[in-house]
Amino acid sequence: NAGVTQTPKFQVLKTGQSMTLQCAQDMNHEYMSWYRQDPGMGLRLIHYSVGAGITDQGEVPNGYNVSRSTTEDFPLRLLSAAPSQTSVYFCASSYSGTGRTEAFFGQGTRLTVV
Amino acid sequence: DQQVKQNSPSLSVQEGRISILNCDYTNSMFDYFLWYKKYPAEGPTFLISISSIKDKNEDGRFTVFLNKSAKHLSLHIVPSQPGDSAVYFCAASDGQGGSEKLVFGKGTKLTVNP
Repeated sequence: NAGVTQTPKFQVLKTGQSMTLQCAQDMNHEYMSWYRQDPGMGLRLIHYSVGAGITDQGEVPNGYNVSRSTTEDFPLRLLSAAPSQTSVYFCASSYSGTGRTEAFFGQGTRLTVV
Repeated sequence: DQQVKQNSPSLSVQEGRISILNCDYTNSMFDYFLWYKKYPAEGPTFLISISSIKDKNEDGRFTVFLNKSAKHLSLHIVPSQPGDSAVYFCAASDGQGGSEKLVFGKGTKLTVNP
């Protein structure tokens, strides 16, 4: 059972380049989210989705785009990378049924923008 | 303004003793609280959660206590083991969804000394 899979694990970008961070889950979860973690900070929500075709902004959405065409995948796009986007990015998924349950996280993508 | 606060960046305890990690929150709409454990270069892993209708939840060596009037929760680990050494994040969710929009504290680094 793979859970939440993120690719790539590491990436170095030049300022102004664009890229897509991939996230896939095999748990049939409706909810998916992207967070970033910076040194000395907790995880901060970038974007989230409550189902295919439905996305919304979190706390720090600027510079990022998302789309959700399938239940399994939730890619995060950096349109024009900036050094301020150097961070570790985590994708998460969670169950949407009755009752509250935890979010499951991927292993993270460490992104450096030079 | 931080809605979830973990005021102790670090905590050091001896193996076999109790570890107590604290978390405060400001948003009275939060009704579901989670603790995550994170090792370096890995994604956060879920430890234990508590709903606002309870004041205590236990799972093996881990117990979470919730004091709603004080907007305070704590995680107790008894007995502490060296493998518990990690960063612990407190997270909260409001009643408008599930765990797709978690708000995290900055984390507490726990070191358990043999």
